[in-house]
Amino acid sequence: SAVISQKPSRDICQRGTSLTIQCQVDSQVTMMFWYRQQPGQSLTLIATANQGSEATYESGFVIDKFPISRPNLTFSTLTVSNMSPEDSSIYLCSATPRTGPLSNTEAFFGQGTRLTVV
Amino acid sequence: KQEVTQIPAALSVPEGENLVLNCSFTDSAIYNLQWFRQDPGKGLTSLLLIQSSQREQTSGRLNASLDKSSGRSTLYIAASQPGDSATYLCAVRQGSGGSNYKLTFGKGTLLTVNP
Repeated sequence: SAVISQKPSRDICQRGTSLTIQCQVDSQVTMMFWYRQQPGQSLTLIATANQGSEATYESGFVIDKFPISRPNLTFSTLTVSNMSPEDSSIYLCSATPRTGPLSNTEAFFGQGTRLTVV
Repeated sequence: KQEVTQIPAALSVPEGENLVLNCSFTDSAIYNLQWFRQDPGKGLTSLLLIQSSQREQTSGRLNASLDKSSGRSTLYIAASQPGDSATYLCAVRQGSGGSNYKLTFGKGTLLTVNP
């Protein structure tokens, strides 16, 4: 298993500013992901955070808006840049330890960051 | 493109009732299926993981089944309690096509258990 600490847990930000969210895992993990959950919706994958290389973004998400860092196997950050009210969402970090076959890979999540942009 | 559907969208039951939540997916090429619980404004808690070769998994009052060929899974909750009230999410891990082994989520079932 993996325990994920995510911070901040919530923030209220002014439009046009940026917020960096941190994700710390208690063990080395192969895969880390960032999701967005808009009000009343399910989770949408923003990107896969790759250790030592650029993140892999899903359709509709770009690096200039959501830069991601992953300097090692236990830590990642997501920045929400030039925020607008439409960015108000819960942002979630997920980690998947891979110690065996892919069929046995279980995803764990942080507690999320509730972002409100005013 | 994988699509995951959960039925019903919302469910309200009296305490003590047994209930079933449904999840269906369109592409059967999956590595596994995972059920999560989400409390309001919080992150996700993993409940059960079913590998693609398995038929079911059990944890306490929870039992999840998987019929990979038909693209269906069910989550059975026995003797429901008010503390079970939450949104339950189903997610499948992609098994092909350079998809970075990502999870695709359903929209969830909002469960309310009334005392």
